[in-house]
Amino acid sequence: DSGVTQTPKHLITATGQRVTLRCSPRSGDLSVYWYQQSLDQGLQFLIHYYNGEERAKGNILERFSAQQFPDLHSELNLSSLELGDSALYFCASSVASGGGDTQYFGPGTRLTVL
Amino acid sequence: AQSVTQLGSHVSVSEGALVLLRCNYSSSVPPYLFWYVQYPNQGLQLLLKYTSAATLVKGINGFEAEFKKSETSFHLTKPSAHMSDAAEYFCAVSDQRYSSASKIIFGSGTRLSIRP
Repeated sequence: DSGVTQTPKHLITATGQRVTLRCSPRSGDLSVYWYQQSLDQGLQFLIHYYNGEERAKGNILERFSAQQFPDLHSELNLSSLELGDSALYFCASSVASGGGDTQYFGPGTRLTVL
Repeated sequence: AQSVTQLGSHVSVSEGALVLLRCNYSSSVPPYLFWYVQYPNQGLQLLLKYTSAATLVKGINGFEAEFKKSETSFHLTKPSAHMSDAAEYFCAVSDQRYSSASKIIFGSGTRLSIRP
């Protein structure tokens, strides 16, 4: 158990819908990262937040947005869902924000878009 | 731009044999390098990381990796494979050494199978 929690574990929805994925970092960690894992794209970095501020962006679609709240939990919002958004979405956390910091991964949320 | 190439999407070895998973990276600055393992239906777990302290890095579960700048490689090895090592392994790179942000790029992964 990494100490990072993600809810829900599974999510099934329809095209065009909007969903919110939630992540709670390890106690004391200030950084939260979001990743998408799919068969065709592999594991892709989406976005990094540190203490409520966005620090880095990866291949995140405009239909996707994220935020980190004062209690440091983070939410990833996915809207106008398409079939291709079906994937495993991971959240990770680390103590600080440096490139060499160890990231601890949650168990993931499996999103299925029908 | 940073990138990672993992050679071999699937590697199969016999129990007790040497495990060698290959990773080559591209980075414009001295990189941070990582190996992560993913067991079925689980998240990723850090095996080891290179942050420039030593070129030979020892990790958990008996794995180690050697940073070779001249070859831009960071191959993962384990002297003797165990059935419990069967998993997906990801090499990753970050070139954010001089930044307060973190952007890790993952390789495509290598699935390791262990034959009894």
